[in-house]
Amino acid sequence: KAGVTQTPRYLIKTRGQQVTLSCSPISGHRSVSWYQQTPGQGLQFLFEYFSETQRNKGNFPGRFSGRQFSNSRSEMNVSTLELGDSALYLCASSTSAANTEAFFGQGTRLTVV
Amino acid sequence: EDKVVQSPLSLVVHEGDTVTLNCSYEVTNFRSLLWYKQEKKAPTFLFMLTSSGIEKKSGRLSSILDKKELSSILNITATQTGDSAIYLCAPTSGTYKYIFGTGTRLKVLA
Repeated sequence: KAGVTQTPRYLIKTRGQQVTLSCSPISGHRSVSWYQQTPGQGLQFLFEYFSETQRNKGNFPGRFSGRQFSNSRSEMNVSTLELGDSALYLCASSTSAANTEAFFGQGTRLTVV
Repeated sequence: EDKVVQSPLSLVVHEGDTVTLNCSYEVTNFRSLLWYKQEKKAPTFLFMLTSSGIEKKSGRLSSILDKKELSSILNITATQTGDSAIYLCAPTSGTYKYIFGTGTRLKVLA
């Protein structure tokens, strides 16, 4: 059974640009959550999608957005990149996210220069 | 606001030692608590705890939840260098998100 797949694995962007990250969940999982991980802040919750609906959103500016497709694949977009957006972006899939274990992808390492 | 505190922040031990990692939480509408091990990138699932006082075990790792004290501990006995990692706890609520602590960084020396 394939795990959670995130693409790309590494990305370097310039301030002001925008970026789109992709996450393919485990087959049969309908919930996808996104997290930003930085050394000082740990894993910060960005948003969660279930059956194409955003059910919860963390405390991030509107430059961070996401969506989920009918096949449960999810994308997150960051517009007008800032240096502080440099981080490891992790997505996790689960059957429902309400009370089940989540399985993480390898992450996308974003560097903004 | 939901809050998770893990202690210690970091720990250095020698192979064979036993370690206890702590996780304290304040979460609205608590449902369960999960433990993860993060070595390089992807956190890997260790345990999910929902009931107070019931220990979960997997090899040398064990964990228990105390809902009265709003805390959980993760024990690792006979540590090995392969246990070196960041250990994360994440209580869940009814709001479809996992609230992660900043983790405990464990280093096991040979």
